[in-house]
Amino acid sequence: AQSVTQLGSHVSVSEGALVLLRCNYSSSVPPYLFWYVQYPNQGLQLLLKYTTGATLVKGINGFEAEFKKSETSFHLTKPSAHMSDAAEYFCAVRVIQGAQKLVFGQGTRLTINP
Amino acid sequence: NAGVTQTPKFQVLKTGQSMTLQCAQDMNHEYMSWYRQDPGMGLRLIHYSVGAGITDQGEVPNGYNVSRSTTEDFPLRLLSAAPSQTSVYFCASSSRGAGSTDTQYFGPGTRLTVL
Repeated sequence: AQSVTQLGSHVSVSEGALVLLRCNYSSSVPPYLFWYVQYPNQGLQLLLKYTTGATLVKGINGFEAEFKKSETSFHLTKPSAHMSDAAEYFCAVRVIQGAQKLVFGQGTRLTINP
Repeated sequence: NAGVTQTPKFQVLKTGQSMTLQCAQDMNHEYMSWYRQDPGMGLRLIHYSVGAGITDQGEVPNGYNVSRSTTEDFPLRLLSAAPSQTSVYFCASSSRGAGSTDTQYFGPGTRLTVL
């Protein structure tokens, strides 16, 4: 069965510093992987996704993630944090075939220090 | 194009009461899903539908019913609310078939408190 583990429920960085949010997955088949962002009191918004092809995926707001099959990882990065990046971030893997069900990690709350 | 809409935004129930959370989408998506979000647990799938007239259970279906009579609407019913159902509920939809992006679009959520 597919599963997702996000390392660190809270991450705090300074404005302008590198953002690194970790996600490891478990899947018996080639995975489809997603990062979603949730701003306070809002729904989830897709940041980026990996399906097939290029393993470095670029998303919105300057975020990117790299699919590493050997490490079963899909870490999210941004070179320079901005105050507006403060939010909760969820990594998710698609359950195979048909129903497009997503299995989510527990989330990582990102805080940006001025 | 409103995307995925949910009503109400907030709701307080007493134990044993029933209610229906509404979800609608105007993107002609076949797939629709209900998730609940609890602190430290991410989002967990309650029920999903692959098209009108077809529904199935997700990870945490107990205490919830769904139906899908139209492509646009996917209501979630709580027949007898319990405090354990206090949560934030999200509805999502996505397309399928050739060229499907597998991207799920989420509604703004319904915050439910059961006393």
